[in-house]
Amino acid sequence: DSGVTQTPKHLITATGQRVTLRCSPRSGDLSVYWYQQSLDQGLQFLIQYYNGEERAKGNILERFSAQQFPDLHSELNLSSLELGDSALYFCASSEGLAGGNEQFFGPGTRLTVL
Amino acid sequence: AQSVTQLGSHVSVSEGALVLLRCNYSSSVPPYLFWYVQYPNQGLQLLLKYTSAATLVKGINGFEAEFKKSETSFHLTKPSAHMSDAAEYFCAAANFGNEKLTFGTGTRLTIIP
Repeated sequence: DSGVTQTPKHLITATGQRVTLRCSPRSGDLSVYWYQQSLDQGLQFLIQYYNGEERAKGNILERFSAQQFPDLHSELNLSSLELGDSALYFCASSEGLAGGNEQFFGPGTRLTVL
Repeated sequence: AQSVTQLGSHVSVSEGALVLLRCNYSSSVPPYLFWYVQYPNQGLQLLLKYTSAATLVKGINGFEAEFKKSETSFHLTKPSAHMSDAAEYFCAAANFGNEKLTFGTGTRLTIIP
């Protein structure tokens, strides 16, 4: 158990819908990262938050957005869903901003868009 | 931009044999390097990391990796494979001042009894 929790574990929805994925980082970790894992794109970095502020952005679509709340949990919002958004979405957390810090990964949320 | 290449999407070894999973990175400045393992239906777990200290890095479960700047490589090895090592292995890199991880495409390791 990494200490990172993600809910829900599975999500099945239809095209055009909007969903919210939730992540609670390890106690004390200020950085939260979101990654997408799909068969065709592999594991891709989406976005990072540090202590409530956006820190870095990767290949995140405009239909996707995220935020980190004062209690440090984070939410990833996916809207106008398309079939190609079906993937495993991971949240990870780390202590701070040192690049060598280990990122601890949650179990993921599997999103299926029908 | 940083890129990570893992040679061999599938590797099969016999139980007790040497495991060698290959990883090369692209940047001219050696980044931080990581190996993660993913078991079916689970998240990623860190095996080991290189952060510019020792070039030979020891990790969990008997794995180790050697950083070779001249070859821009960070290959993962284990002297004797165990059935429980069957999983997908990802090499990842992070540049200085940038914490995001760039992952390779992964190598699925199968252990033959």
